[in-house]
Amino acid sequence: QKEVEQDPGPLSVPEGAIVSLNCTYSNSAFQYFMWYRQYSRKGPELLMYTYSSGNKEDGRFTAQVDKSSKYISLFIRDSQPSDSATYLCAMSSNAGGTSYGKLTFGQGTILTVHP
Amino acid sequence: GAGVSQSPRYKVAKRGQDVALRCDPISGHVSLFWYQQALGQGPEFLTYFQNEAQLDKSGLPSDRFFAERPEGSVSTLKIQRTQQEDSAVYLCASSFLAGGPNTGELFFGEGSRLTVL
Repeated sequence: QKEVEQDPGPLSVPEGAIVSLNCTYSNSAFQYFMWYRQYSRKGPELLMYTYSSGNKEDGRFTAQVDKSSKYISLFIRDSQPSDSATYLCAMSSNAGGTSYGKLTFGQGTILTVHP
Repeated sequence: GAGVSQSPRYKVAKRGQDVALRCDPISGHVSLFWYQQALGQGPEFLTYFQNEAQLDKSGLPSDRFFAERPEGSVSTLKIQRTQQEDSAVYLCASSFLAGGPNTGELFFGEGSRLTVL
């Protein structure tokens, strides 16, 4: 079983819809939680970053972390065709003080927003 | 340059050939990572450099994989005697920080897509 599980989709929604993307994880040492967006044939780019449990909002994007359930979510409001991409959750720990950014990624969810 | 630059963008190799993939990180970035992304999967950690020191190579899948960053800037990932299972996109990422809580601030290149025939 992988440390981070993410439904690969694909997910197809109409423009303006609310999108919910989720990941579950098994490693309780994870403390830093991120969402990356990856367009086709491009590298991942950081969307949201959250430390420990809680919510974080940035424009149309909201990230939620529930450490008790080992579950994280990304919500996209008023989705746009330009949001069509693969969304990757990523996590890291501070085990042993070596918090140098070694990330464990989910499989990625392919999202298509159609006009 | 403004971002992380990787070359070549595409590489086709015959099984058994050696390949070298180059990464130019953002100027001044201390940390450099290599990740491997198989088709339809998320990136998987290969190795980490802090300046010229390779501090973690736990993700390298076999001794055919070797990475270096001799002057603490440009890095090269070398794969010897390539196999079909090595086919993937190899992503390089860099970060200004050497450590600490801001572990999300990785800047990725566009990757080198390796196809082994």
